[in-house]
Amino acid sequence: DTEVTQTPKHLVMGMTNKKSLKCEQHMGHRAMYWYKQKAKKPPELMFVYSYEKLSINESVPSRFSPECPNSSLLNLHLHALQPEDSALYLCASSQEGRHYEQYFGPGTRLTVT
Amino acid sequence: AQSVTQLDSHVSVSEGTPVLLRCNYSSSYSPSLFWYVQHPNKGLQLLLKYTSAATLVKGINGFEAEFKKSETSFHLTKPSAHMSDAAEYFCVVSGNYGQNFVFGPGTRLSVLP
Repeated sequence: DTEVTQTPKHLVMGMTNKKSLKCEQHMGHRAMYWYKQKAKKPPELMFVYSYEKLSINESVPSRFSPECPNSSLLNLHLHALQPEDSALYLCASSQEGRHYEQYFGPGTRLTVT
Repeated sequence: AQSVTQLDSHVSVSEGTPVLLRCNYSSSYSPSLFWYVQHPNKGLQLLLKYTSAATLVKGINGFEAEFKKSETSFHLTKPSAHMSDAAEYFCVVSGNYGQNFVFGPGTRLSVLP
């Protein structure tokens, strides 16, 4: 099974709302990632978790808060977002080490109104 | 630092004709290289990867790529395009620390009937 699942598929939220994105994988991968992708652009790395610990934060605003409750789950908590945060949010997972491919989920299409 | 250049932002081919998507990279390490495909509003799917084994790499759906160290290139080819190949293609090089991927800007492939 090489599937990464993400929920919800679509999310519309106001600037004062709090919401969460969820990601799950059952491939035994110990590295998990959040990316943000704007239209017609490549994905931009936001966070990397390695063995359930945050290892990379690419200077992401604090209105995005990641969480890794266990080795299979990754959450992204959203609060007080701005309209420019509207994008496709992708989760990925991989084995440890830079030579390994990342497996991507289908993404959550987020619209901030 | 690693970087990736995709020489064409848009490539248009007729169905049944060959596909060539060009990628050049820069890396201070022995790189791992990947090609991903993204259909509209979908996640990224791995087409193939190079990790210092055979220089000619075969992937899914009839795609292949050749690693040429002297030219720092990793071009993606397919002998005969199909309508379902129309998508965005990203060339990726593994980063110089952790699991950080460096994405190229992407090439949009259009397939004409």
